[in-house]
Amino acid sequence: DAKTTQPPSMDCAEGRAANLPCNHSTISGNEYVYWYRQIHSQGPQYIIHGLKNNETNEMASLIITEDRKSSTLILPHATLRDTAVYYCIVRVAMTTDSWGKLQFGAGTQVVVTP
Amino acid sequence: DVKVTQSSRYLVKRTGEKVFLECVQDMDHENMFWYRQDPGLGLRLIYFSYDVKMKEKGDIPEGYSVSREKKERFSLILESASTNQTSMYLCASTERRGGQPQHFGDGTRLSIL
Repeated sequence: DAKTTQPPSMDCAEGRAANLPCNHSTISGNEYVYWYRQIHSQGPQYIIHGLKNNETNEMASLIITEDRKSSTLILPHATLRDTAVYYCIVRVAMTTDSWGKLQFGAGTQVVVTP
Repeated sequence: DVKVTQSSRYLVKRTGEKVFLECVQDMDHENMFWYRQDPGLGLRLIYFSYDVKMKEKGDIPEGYSVSREKKERFSLILESASTNQTSMYLCASTERRGGQPQHFGDGTRLSIL
């Protein structure tokens, strides 16, 4: 699975959009980009994933660059409950081990302030 | 919405006890996983299952066993609990279809005294 690089921390004002970057310059053509978050003492929460196209759901938007070497998770209107560690993961989805283990890096600690 | 339910949020057991952690998912997912999460070590896979009665070892299966008698339920068993098994235990499930995300439960924080 491709390695990802995220900033260790970022602050965001409540009500504003939070833009979380992730670099994955060694991504392969069959690797998806997944985003999870983990609020302290809770299990990881799936947010969104994509392969090539930009994606949007009720939680967030995922913007993937044309060369797929980086992506941005956008929380459109951050709330205090969005304070969490956000993990960007890149992994193969179509091999015999495609449903295998997830590995989280250090992630980005996002703090939403009033 | 996908719901993965773990039987306990917090559990305290004694060294040598046999410990059962239960996980149930309501989305008819084929694949289920047990991880443990420790500070500085990240997420580590203990066991996974891709079908009823099927199981595969993950990276750290020693001291653990699993059971999957029904599709929706995946149990983790600590045969003889030890203090180094104090950890956050996370259950996850996913469809077999390629590319689908894993969905996690809220975790069980287990302390072995």
